[in-house]
Amino acid sequence: GQQVMQIPQYQHVQEGEDFTTYCNSSTTLSNIQWYKQRPGGHPVFLIQLVKSGEVKKQKRLTFQFGEAKKNSSLHITATQTTDVGTYFCAGVMWENRDDKIIFGKGTRLHILP
Amino acid sequence: GAGVSQTPSNKVTEKGKYVELRCDPISGHTALYWYRQSLGQGPEFLIYFQGTGAADDSGLPNDRFFAVRPEGSVSTLKIQRTERGDSAVYLCASSGRGQGSYNEQFFGPGTRLTVL
Repeated sequence: GQQVMQIPQYQHVQEGEDFTTYCNSSTTLSNIQWYKQRPGGHPVFLIQLVKSGEVKKQKRLTFQFGEAKKNSSLHITATQTTDVGTYFCAGVMWENRDDKIIFGKGTRLHILP
Repeated sequence: GAGVSQTPSNKVTEKGKYVELRCDPISGHTALYWYRQSLGQGPEFLIYFQGTGAADDSGLPNDRFFAVRPEGSVSTLKIQRTERGDSAVYLCASSGRGQGSYNEQFFGPGTRLTVL
């Protein structure tokens, strides 16, 4: 079946360093969403990307959607302890005459003080 | 305003028993989704409601799982003859704006189901 792969699975960074997580789909996506889940919490919506090559920024977070609409990335500049959590991408794809949503396994971010 | 609520927050049951999990979406949200999340994994789609009808139930793993949303608001996920492999956190989400089936989703805190 269709898959959404996310790498890396884990990332440890020193506070102040940058962080990037990548998401790759086996098929073209209608849109891609990013969510953050704090330890013990539930996923919280960050952003949705729809257009090919789209780039969106939220303060220290930069989201990109690839030209082929098969990959995406989330980059955090100068990480802070509040950035700790698991970041999930969720790809929406057209399958069997309907939209389907598939979450990646997530990238767990640890911040070293 | 109030977010998505789910009850119970924790449910422990024995293998073979029947359980019901409830979701109260954000008022006015027409779309409601159920997911299952196992440790170290992303949410796994189960079913999506648009209003009272199940628009997509292709994620339900087998016929032991069933969900309803009779009045287009509260939804109940029902699991018959529970198995140990059903143990997971069951997440509910709702959405109310934008075009298409899947847009910004607001998740509830989840119900942690443990089948002994």
